Amino acid sequence: KQEVTQIPAALSVPEGENLVLNCSFTDSAIYNLQWFRQDPGKGLTSLLLIQSSQREQTSGRLNASLDKSSGRSTLYIAASQPGDSATYLCAVFQGGKLIFGQGTELSVKP
Amino acid sequence: SAVISQKPSRDICQRGTSLTIQCQVDSQVTMMFWYRQQPGQSLTLIATANQGSEATYESGFVIDKFPISRPNLTFSTLTVSNMSPEDSSIYLCSVEEGQGAGELFFGEGSRLTVL
Repeated sequence: KQEVTQIPAALSVPEGENLVLNCSFTDSAIYNLQWFRQDPGKGLTSLLLIQSSQREQTSGRLNASLDKSSGRSTLYIAASQPGDSATYLCAVFQGGKLIFGQGTELSVKP
Repeated sequence: SAVISQKPSRDICQRGTSLTIQCQVDSQVTMMFWYRQQPGQSLTLIATANQGSEATYESGFVIDKFPISRPNLTFSTLTVSNMSPEDSSIYLCSVEEGQGAGELFFGEGSRLTVL
């Protein structure tokens, strides 16, 4: 059974710092991996999608990497801003569905 | 990406009642998914709803409790039946885009509080 784990559960950083969020999964037979952002009480916003054949994807200040063989992905956020404060969710697509991690709650202090 | 609208955005319900959540998409999609997010938890898939066929439910979820309709390629409903306080959650509709690329997009969610 696929299990997705995100570390750390919560992170607080001062504005301007670069940071890395970690995601690991137990079964490497995934179709793709998606990173989402969720603001309190809101739905999910898709940030980056990495297909199983890809190693990384970039969008603005965000860079996501995927090492399928080791079951790991990282989300790198450059020059963090208070507006980046949210919960970041990692999910793998397998067996026709997305399986989510528990998320990392990020707080960027001005 | 598709624009996904959910109604209601939030509601407060009495124990024992049922509520139907609507999900409208601005484009035709084959696969729609319903997720539940309990307070402080991550998302759990309830069921997959494909047009023209019965919904497929995940372990722990049954049709009598969460009946789903999928009348066409742009619309679906999820009913939460005979609600109890344990059903207090955010319910999210999701669609897959990209012709099998597996990229999912989500609505804003429906926050239900059961008293």
